[in-house]
Amino acid sequence: NAGVTQTPKFQVLKTGQSMTLQCAQDMNHNSMYWYRQDPGMGLRLIYYSASEGTTDKGEVPNGYNVSRLNKREFSLRLESAAPSQTSVYFCASSARDRGLPDTQYFGPGTRLTVL
Amino acid sequence: DAKTTQPTSMDCAEGRAANLPCNHSTISGNEYVYWYRQIHSQGPQYIIHGLKNNETNEMASLIITEDRKSSTLILPHATLRDTAVYYCIVRVRSGSARQLTFGSGTQLTVLP
Repeated sequence: NAGVTQTPKFQVLKTGQSMTLQCAQDMNHNSMYWYRQDPGMGLRLIYYSASEGTTDKGEVPNGYNVSRLNKREFSLRLESAAPSQTSVYFCASSARDRGLPDTQYFGPGTRLTVL
Repeated sequence: DAKTTQPTSMDCAEGRAANLPCNHSTISGNEYVYWYRQIHSQGPQYIIHGLKNNETNEMASLIITEDRKSSTLILPHATLRDTAVYYCIVRVRSGSARQLTFGSGTQLTVLP
């Protein structure tokens, strides 16, 4: 099992450019998440998908859109990148089975710089 | 989710046990204690979780006090690769997807 994979690992954009961050998990998990982490700070939830076909806003959704393409894949899109979106982006997934603790497993991250 | 308090930093000698404490005095009966760690520049890594019994897996042991107001994560034989920020998180067993809230954690430095 690869777990949670993310592409690309690094990306540099100019202000106003768009891009999509890809995330995939092979653990047959129901829920997937996108977080961002700024230097010296904790993780903040951008969007999440509780199950295939659903998406919901997290703590900091402005400037982002997401697509839950299928059970395995959850993408994050920046339509018009801004320097404030320079950050490390982590994707996570969890089984979210009824009655079980909701353990989240994280990918290796995408380091995004917006100039 | 209940608030947690952890020391800002700790050192441990390589090969020795690392004992990382966490206070969660307002924990309620349906809340689990989770531990994650984040090695520099990597994604957070799940370590272990427990409700009220002590737990052990291949990475660590989790000791939860009888009143559940505090817990200790034990890395039995710390290595240099265990240098990381360790997060203690308390949250309910959840039937819905929710944000995992990381506090400031404990920076563990394993010294050669």
